[in-house]
Amino acid sequence: KQEVTQIPAALSVPEGENLVLNCSFTDSAIYNLQWFRQDPGKGLTSLLLIQSSQREQTSGRLNASLDKSSGRSTLYIAASQPGDSATYLCAVRPFISGGSYIPTFGRGTSLIVHP
Amino acid sequence: DGGITQSPKYLFRKEGQNVTLSCEQNLNHDAMYWYRQDPGQGLRLIYYSQIVNDFQKGDIAEGYSVSREKKESFPLTVTSAQKNPTAFYLCASRQGQNEQYFGPGTRLTVT
Repeated sequence: KQEVTQIPAALSVPEGENLVLNCSFTDSAIYNLQWFRQDPGKGLTSLLLIQSSQREQTSGRLNASLDKSSGRSTLYIAASQPGDSATYLCAVRPFISGGSYIPTFGRGTSLIVHP
Repeated sequence: DGGITQSPKYLFRKEGQNVTLSCEQNLNHDAMYWYRQDPGQGLRLIYYSQIVNDFQKGDIAEGYSVSREKKESFPLTVTSAQKNPTAFYLCASRQGQNEQYFGPGTRLTVT
């Protein structure tokens, strides 16, 4: 069974720092991996989707990388801002022939960027 | 404006009552999902539907029921059999292997 781990569980940094959030998964047979952001009391907002054949995806100050063989993805946030404060979750979708492709979610990294 | 709507945002019920949470999407997505989120537990899948008139149990389906009579709608009923129903409920949808999108959530409190 796929297990997804996000370390650290919480992170507090001063504004302007470049950040790396980690997502590890146990089964490398994945279809894709998606990063989300969740603000308190809100739904999840999709940030980036990386297909298994891709090594990275970029959107603005965000860059997500994927290393399937080592079971790792990282989300890089450049020049962090207080508005980046949120919980960041990753979800791994398995590659199962004829399967339901149900994603497995990590528990998230809670990020606080203070001014 | 395309997206997923969930209503109501907050819901309060007495123990022993059934309650239905609404989820509507206008993204023309085939697949829809219901998750429950509790502090420190992460997201847990309740039910999912890959196509109209078909749905499957997730990891924690006991005490819940769903229907999928229309492509755009996937209501979740929390029954009195659910022992600990107070939680934040999230609905999501997806088309093919593209991104999964989430609604704003419904916070249910049962007393």
